[in-house]
Amino acid sequence: GAVVSQHPSWVICKSGTSVKIECRSLDFQATTMFWYRQFPKQSLMLMATSNEGSKATYEQGVEKDKFLINHASLTLSTLTVTSAHPEDSSFYICSANREAGGWETQYFGPGTRLLVL
Amino acid sequence: QKEVEQNSGPLSVPEGAIASLNCTYSDRGSQSFFWYRQYSGKSPELIMFIYSNGDKEDGRFTAQLNKASQYVSLLIRDSQPSDSATYLCAVRGYGQNFVFGPGTRLSVLP
Repeated sequence: GAVVSQHPSWVICKSGTSVKIECRSLDFQATTMFWYRQFPKQSLMLMATSNEGSKATYEQGVEKDKFLINHASLTLSTLTVTSAHPEDSSFYICSANREAGGWETQYFGPGTRLLVL
Repeated sequence: QKEVEQNSGPLSVPEGAIASLNCTYSDRGSQSFFWYRQYSGKSPELIMFIYSNGDKEDGRFTAQLNKASQYVSLLIRDSQPSDSATYLCAVRGYGQNFVFGPGTRLSVLP
């Protein structure tokens, strides 16, 4: 299957700092990537849809000024958690759409665990 | 509101049995259907996708789609303890975002 990477896999930071997470599609180009957040024992929650070369589309209730998304190339999207607070501690997962034969399939990265102290 | 529903479980089956996971969806325009497996603490991984009515087999996994009933299922034959995970159903209409179900937790008992 297609490969999507995320970096870093773990990050611990102090409250008030900003954290950048990278998501890369390694063996395909992705015009659309997604950012999810998942709290322990809960479902995936879609935060935003990232489109290459345009502004991200945020889900209701997600602060666009707090979660900055940049999709600068067909293989890279970044999520920056600005002025992180302990309540932002979560498992952040990106995914990328791969198109083949007219159909799109979503592949997930391994996720990034964020702990804000 | 497009919805995808799954029984949250846990679904417990003995090792070697067939595990049957079910998913229903509300959008009749849905065109592609996916099953993902998510181990505890890990991100989801794609198991199978299906676009046409009927069955699609891949190893021990069989996906079944019935668009008239708006129902998609995943059968796991010869279940192993390593199959214990949460299984997510995802549905997509043409050109639309994926909609994920809440997942069914499967426990395969040795």
